[in-house]
Amino acid sequence: DAGVIQSPRHEVTEMGQEVTLRCKPISGHDYLFWYRQTMMRGLELLIYFNNNVPIDDSGMPEDRFSAKMPNASFSTLKIQPSEPRDSAVYFCASSLTVNYGYTFGSGTRLTVV
Amino acid sequence: KQEVTQIPAALSVPEGENLVLNCSFTDSAIYNLQWFRQDPGKGLTSLLLIQSSQREQTSGRLNASLDKSSGRSTLYIAASQPGDSATYLCAVRRGDGNSGYSTLTFGKGTMLLVSP
Repeated sequence: DAGVIQSPRHEVTEMGQEVTLRCKPISGHDYLFWYRQTMMRGLELLIYFNNNVPIDDSGMPEDRFSAKMPNASFSTLKIQPSEPRDSAVYFCASSLTVNYGYTFGSGTRLTVV
Repeated sequence: KQEVTQIPAALSVPEGENLVLNCSFTDSAIYNLQWFRQDPGKGLTSLLLIQSSQREQTSGRLNASLDKSSGRSTLYIAASQPGDSATYLCAVRRGDGNSGYSTLTFGKGTMLLVSP
């Protein structure tokens, strides 16, 4: 398996623009997680899915953030409109079940100018 | 709310030394604990996973221990090498007996520098 695949690797956008981050989890994994990493706050859980269903989105900072998982092999995290304070590295991770560890993607480094 | 603390925040050692990284967590109701390595500008690589029923796991020069009752874990690195330089993150997976759902809570990591 190629692991968790995220795209793009880097994204630079202007404030106010819409940004869409993409993730392909490992085939067969039941859980998918979106995390954000900043120097100040470390890794923060934004939202997670179980069997394509959003379970907990309490970490999503604002209504500007939304996430979808239309099928077991694809998820998106959208920011609309983007702001400079959204600049961070966004990671996607997947896990088989509760007793298994997480596998992370390489992340998307987002810069909003 | 689960809180994970890692001490020290940064550590610098000469090559060849054995070292210990510490992780503590406030809620002992966990499914498992996972240690990750993160190189600068890169993603997270899983090093070791310890289930709540286990006391330790070993992989090569790495040994992770878990004391769930006291809310502590340690990562022991033997004979450190410059290639071990990275940030090491500890994360605990909270248990939810009712639904089975759970999430991973991270510490902020220990930045390790091993000098030749």
